[in-house]
Amino acid sequence: DQQVKQNSPSLSVQEGRISILNCDYTNSMFDYFLWYKKYPAEGPTFLISISSIKDKNEDGRFTVFLNKSAKHLSLHIVPSQPGDSAVYFCAAQEPNDMRFGAGTRLTVKP
Amino acid sequence: DAGITQSPRYKITETGRQVTLMCHQTWSHSYMFWYRQDLGHGLRLIYYSAAADITDKGEVPDGYVVSRSKTENFPLTLESATRSQTSVYFCASSEPRLEQYFGPGTRLTVT
Repeated sequence: DQQVKQNSPSLSVQEGRISILNCDYTNSMFDYFLWYKKYPAEGPTFLISISSIKDKNEDGRFTVFLNKSAKHLSLHIVPSQPGDSAVYFCAAQEPNDMRFGAGTRLTVKP
Repeated sequence: DAGITQSPRYKITETGRQVTLMCHQTWSHSYMFWYRQDLGHGLRLIYYSAAADITDKGEVPDGYVVSRSKTENFPLTLESATRSQTSVYFCASSEPRLEQYFGPGTRLTVT
């Protein structure tokens, strides 16, 4: 029972272009959403988050959008850089539960 | 060193053996977590702890035991390891309802 889904296992974009990573969830009780980035042989690191009371949060090149009615969130990276190449996990949280998606491997080509 | 550390980083054990993975954090975060990462599943929560002496099951707790006698330590024990427990294990810590800080992971192979 995957409550958080990242349907694209991989994404490849050209340097300087926009990267859009998508995430869908099924549990309407989730009220806080996060994106983590993971490099090989390292633990995930926090990237950006959004509360369910907002529909957008921006931090430099990274913007997260939340569409509660569609139970969908997305991460936009503009402009994409080769150093952004990593696996990105979305996560959804409610008071007593945290669920992660399976991850999307982003490759940014120079 | 400040942060969150895990030991060992790599472990090979045999089916039926008991193995303990260690996790230590220096931030005094109240919450600590154990996850396993498997291909196609992302990160799945095994157990978490809201404070010392308080632990609770996550999504996949079967076959695992945790304890938290001190705020900074959260060991994970596989009492009788099985091949299905071959995975990469991540420990994390956080303050309530905030982002988690992850350790570098332990790669466990059960033969």
